[in-house]
Amino acid sequence: QKEVEQDPGPLSVPEGAIVSLNCTYSNSAFQYFMWYRQYSRKGPELLMYTYSSGNKEDGRFTAQVDKSSKYISLFIRDSQPSDSATYLCAMGAGNQFYFGTGTSLTVIP
Amino acid sequence: DTEVTQTPKHLVMGMTNKKSLKCEQHMGHRAMYWYKQKAKKPPELMFVYSYEKLSINESVPSRFSPECPNSSLLNLHLHALQPEDSALYLCASSHAGGLNTEAFFGQGTRLTVV
Repeated sequence: QKEVEQDPGPLSVPEGAIVSLNCTYSNSAFQYFMWYRQYSRKGPELLMYTYSSGNKEDGRFTAQVDKSSKYISLFIRDSQPSDSATYLCAMGAGNQFYFGTGTSLTVIP
Repeated sequence: DTEVTQTPKHLVMGMTNKKSLKCEQHMGHRAMYWYKQKAKKPPELMFVYSYEKLSINESVPSRFSPECPNSSLLNLHLHALQPEDSALYLCASSHAGGLNTEAFFGQGTRLTVV
């Protein structure tokens, strides 16, 4: 299940920084892309969903997809301590999707 | 409402026990999933149900038996588990196709096999 590669981190940034999280994939059949945030001992929380190349913005979060390069990113602006969590990319086609390994993010006050 | 409800939240069972995990959603989703997650690892796909029929089984041992009694409910029956099966079991749901297939997860059942 190594079709999705994600920068392992861990990542530690000061409060207010811009955070960039990235995943690459090899399966050109993947049609949709998701970013999840997971706090310790909780279920993953869907942050962003997109199925086209380009940017999608929601509040402080921007998801970027480049299908030609098979590369996706999540940007977090004005990062807050409450953003400290593990961020998982996920992607798939039909009803089968797979996760990257996750990046652990710590935002230091 | 994007809620997926899983019960119980915690479960401790012996290797000879039979237990069931339950998952419920009322978003009209016709695809439902079971994932297994070990500590500091990403979720691993176990089963996918589409329109109440099992569509994907990721070579999961038969001691795990899924069931989808209706479009809102998903069960995972457990029997003769091993200690290495201890993990967080996550249920998710999504639309069953098209371009609106974002998946929503429950909070999981933390299973300990003793």
